[in-house]
Amino acid sequence: EPEVTQTPSHQVTQMGQEVILRCVPISNHLYFYWYRQILGQKVEFLVSFYNNEISEKSEIFDDQFSVERPDGSNFTLKIRSTKLEDSAMYFCASSDLRQPYGYTFGSGTRLTVV
Amino acid sequence: QKEVEQDPGPLSVPEGAIVSLNCTYSNSAFQYFMWYRQYSRKGPELLMYTYSSGNKEDGRFTAQVDKSSKYISLFIRDSQPSDSATYLCAIWAGNMLTFGGGTRLMVKP
Repeated sequence: EPEVTQTPSHQVTQMGQEVILRCVPISNHLYFYWYRQILGQKVEFLVSFYNNEISEKSEIFDDQFSVERPDGSNFTLKIRSTKLEDSAMYFCASSDLRQPYGYTFGSGTRLTVV
Repeated sequence: QKEVEQDPGPLSVPEGAIVSLNCTYSNSAFQYFMWYRQYSRKGPELLMYTYSSGNKEDGRFTAQVDKSSKYISLFIRDSQPSDSATYLCAIWAGNMLTFGGGTRLMVKP
């Protein structure tokens, strides 16, 4: 069964450093998403991406965050200057045109900011 | 305004029991109603989705939606220890999924 692949599975970074989280969505999917889950809290929407541009973003997704689809397969989330409160699981998801609501999530990247 | 609410549990049941998991929501614009299963430190896995009020069955799982009450449920029949996980309801309104907080289920052998 097709999978969404995320790397790395765990990243530790110092406060103020830049991190890039990487995702390979399912190959025929056209909608891409980033969500995050702080330990013990809800899964929260960050951003959606379609047709090479952001289609929706949440209040969390401020100027510190950016997304990119640098080639035909990768989808990245960059956090420019990490804060302690950015520590969370970050999930990438993708969906296709026929069922845009049928997200497939990756296994996540656990980001720890120290 | 809290959009999707879910009892966090934990809910502990013996193997073979019928499990009922529930969510309430506030936004009438929500269109699709999803149930995800999440194992510890893994991504959510889509179990079922439904659009209209009523029941939808898939094996041991039944999803139920009552749009008039803004209430959704997931029933698990003949629960198994492998069903132990956190169950997340999520609702889609055309551009994003909004998740409940999840209910942790433990099925004891």
